Amino acid sequence: DQQVKQNSPSLSVQEGRISILNCDYTNSMFDYFLWYKKYPAEGPTFLISISSIKDKNEDGRFTVFLNKSAKHLSLHIVPSQPGDSAVYFCAATLMEYGNKLVFGAGTILRVKS
Amino acid sequence: NAGVTQTPKFQVLKTGQSMTLQCAQDMNHNSMYWYRQDPGMGLRLIYYSASEGTTDKGEVPNGYNVSRLNKREFSLRLESAAPSQTSVYFCASSLTGVSTEAFFGQGTRLTVV
Repeated sequence: DQQVKQNSPSLSVQEGRISILNCDYTNSMFDYFLWYKKYPAEGPTFLISISSIKDKNEDGRFTVFLNKSAKHLSLHIVPSQPGDSAVYFCAATLMEYGNKLVFGAGTILRVKS
Repeated sequence: NAGVTQTPKFQVLKTGQSMTLQCAQDMNHNSMYWYRQDPGMGLRLIYYSASEGTTDKGEVPNGYNVSRLNKREFSLRLESAAPSQTSVYFCASSLTGVSTEAFFGQGTRLTVV
């Protein structure tokens, strides 16, 4: 049973426009949510995170929104750039689980120039 | 900065062969993890080590063993490889705590024929 779900396998966006990647989760006890970015033949790299007590966190072009009542978070990238083309993984942690990361299946983002 | 280093990068095994994937981190992190990535499945946790001297099973531990040799090193062993273990394996490390940004190695692409 997947606790973290990314229901869109892929997303295609024009350069300069907004990219919105979505993630749903089932465990309301998760403490922290993170987004990772992965290029081919490389390991995932941390992008941005948000605590479960917040509803928004912003870092440059990247903003993560958390809606706890809907058990939903989203990553907004504005403006999108061709270099943002990658696989984006949503992940969640729970202190009770020893802070292990539970990942979604990932969304492939393609930014067209 | 080396970060998390995995060896080897690629490996082909015959069914029934054994091998050990090596992982080392130079960030003085307490926790280390082994994940596997399969298409459409995201990253799934195999084993983790919250601190030196401890190891615990993750989501998909069957067919694997681990050793936390010291604070720096965490190895993953396949005793009798099976085609179902064909995957990309990632080692990761993190500091202990609620904010658990994990750093990943570049991955090992393993094919079992």
